[in-house]
Amino acid sequence: AQRVTQPEKLLSVFKGAPVELKCNYSYSGSPELFWYVQYSRQRLQLLLRHISRESIKGFTADLNKGETSFHLKKPFAQEEDSAMYYCAYTNAGGTSYGKLTFGQGTILTVHP
Amino acid sequence: EAGVAQSPRYKIIEKRQSVAFWCNPISGHATLYWYQQILGQGPKLLIQFQNNGVVDDSQLPKDRFSAERLKGVDSTLKIQPAKLEDSAVYLCASGETSGAWETQYFGPGTRLLVL
Repeated sequence: AQRVTQPEKLLSVFKGAPVELKCNYSYSGSPELFWYVQYSRQRLQLLLRHISRESIKGFTADLNKGETSFHLKKPFAQEEDSAMYYCAYTNAGGTSYGKLTFGQGTILTVHP
Repeated sequence: EAGVAQSPRYKIIEKRQSVAFWCNPISGHATLYWYQQILGQGPKLLIQFQNNGVVDDSQLPKDRFSAERLKGVDSTLKIQPAKLEDSAVYLCASGETSGAWETQYFGPGTRLLVL
């Protein structure tokens, strides 16, 4: 079965410091990886997906198939980045494409 | 654009009672998902619909959980009878397809407490 591992439940940094949220996965088929974010009192929402290779709100994530990792990075954290972050996986080549497997989440706190 | 709607937002029941949750997806989204999120864990998929057909229900505890999506729009998720371990947030999401990609939009969730 596919697994997504986020080793850190809590991560604290100061404003302006770099931040990296770790994600490792086990997979079958064609992995498609995502980062979802949930700000306080808001809905879970897509932050970015590896296929688009975009930078969203200053965040980037590179899929490393050799290390089966998809770490989320931002060079200068802002207080508004404080939220719960989930890494998620789907098999792009599977019959149930769209079925997301989520990690346990990392709570990021950015201190002023 | 209106988002995914869910009701009720909160529900408290006693074990062995029944409960039902409702989801109204974003108009035009063919795929609909129900996830269970237990405290301290990430969401876990329960069932995936494509229009009004089930694509994947391999993780749905079918002895007590059931779900339907009438006319390929709204969906209901039912638990009968509820157990203590069913206490969780139940999330509904609908999927928008663009080319080969799909983006899931989540509702606010229904928080269930089973006493």
